[in-house]
Amino acid sequence: GNSVTQMEGPVTLSEEAFLTINCTYTATGYPSLFWYVQYPGEGLQLLLKATKADDKGSNKGFEATYRKETTSFHLEKGSVQVSDSAVYFCALISGSARQLTFGSGTQLTVLP
Amino acid sequence: GAVVSQHPSWVICKSGTSVKIECRSLDFQATTMFWYRQFPKQSLMLMATSNEGSKATYEQGVEKDKFLINHASLTLSTLTVTSAHPEDSSFYICSASRQGVGGSPLHFGNGTRLTVT
Repeated sequence: GNSVTQMEGPVTLSEEAFLTINCTYTATGYPSLFWYVQYPGEGLQLLLKATKADDKGSNKGFEATYRKETTSFHLEKGSVQVSDSAVYFCALISGSARQLTFGSGTQLTVLP
Repeated sequence: GAVVSQHPSWVICKSGTSVKIECRSLDFQATTMFWYRQFPKQSLMLMATSNEGSKATYEQGVEKDKFLINHASLTLSTLTVTSAHPEDSSFYICSASRQGVGGSPLHFGNGTRLTVT
């Protein structure tokens, strides 16, 4: 079956630090990969996505590259801000399934 | 862009009562919607897949008689927590994707915080 393994948190960084949140996956076929962000008390918002190997998704300074050879989709940002503090979820959709398979989530706290 | 609206955003109810949560796709048709449950500091757990015009598909371990799902139209799905108990207190989130668009990212509602006293 499909699964997503995500770097455990919590992660605490100072403002302007470099961020990496690791994500690896197991899936049948060729999944589409996503990063979602959840701010406190809110639902999930799509942050970025990639639908095929070597695609790079990017949004709001965040990037992630679909690496088929390592089955990874690591999230990176060069300079985090306090407003980036949230929980980040890596997820995938594979085959004909329409529901997402989520990683466990990584809590990020950015200190001023 | 596509928007999914979930209502109410929070609700407090007494033990034994029922609570209905609505999930609407505002600018697209969704033949399929999904209901998730999230416990504090944990990931989302898929409860059921809601299919327009047919019965919902429940995940293993989810009581279908307790969590009633009705997907009466292409833009509305409802989740009713029947005879709620304190252990049902949780954050419930719905999601939907555009009809017929493969690989389309799911759009999420803002969630409903249910507290059963």
